Amino acid sequence: TQLLEQSPQFLSIQEGENLTVYCNSSSVFSSLQWYRQEPGEGPVLLVTVVTGGEVKKLKRLTFQFGDARKDSSLHITAAQPGDTGLYLCAGVTTDSWGKLQFGAGTQVVVTP
Amino acid sequence: NAGVTQTPKFQVLKTGQSMTLQCAQDMNHEYMSWYRQDPGMGLRLIHYSVGAGITDQGEVPNGYNVSRSTTEDFPLRLLSAAPSQTSVYFCASSYWAGEGYGYTFGSGTRLTVV
Repeated sequence: TQLLEQSPQFLSIQEGENLTVYCNSSSVFSSLQWYRQEPGEGPVLLVTVVTGGEVKKLKRLTFQFGDARKDSSLHITAAQPGDTGLYLCAGVTTDSWGKLQFGAGTQVVVTP
Repeated sequence: NAGVTQTPKFQVLKTGQSMTLQCAQDMNHEYMSWYRQDPGMGLRLIHYSVGAGITDQGEVPNGYNVSRSTTEDFPLRLLSAAPSQTSVYFCASSYWAGEGYGYTFGSGTRLTVV
């Protein structure tokens, strides 16, 4: 059982539609991050959230951290083909001192 | 600015062979980690290090050894390769960014054990 459960596993949408990816856990995190990974490359950091209830925006991407710091969501508005990729949430629990643990990922495909 | 450099990019091993995956970073980061990525499982932590001379186990350490003699290098050794170790391996370096840890990943080593 993975520490972080991501849903859905796969998402296929048309350009211009909105999408939301969820990341849930029963553990409390001191920080939670979202990454995007392209084929043949390592994950690239999109955002870090550290405060319960925090909302961060990165152009068309909106990230939320749950009030209890156990869950997070990524919302993409008006998705574009360039948003296609594997989205991974990852977190450091309050007792793990820098050990970053990942969810299984959500494969997002945006078609023109 | 090279970031995190992993070598080799691809490797095929026979069962029972040993090899070392190399990882080097030029950002003077304290923390370094090794992950493996398998389909449908995200990235799983193998070993990590919080500084030169200090290492600890992650979620899936069996079959792998690490050492950290310098800040820059963090090699991963497979002592006796098994088909279950077929995977893509990522090395990462990180630092405390004041608001969570800033992680930089290498581009990965694709390992096949036959």
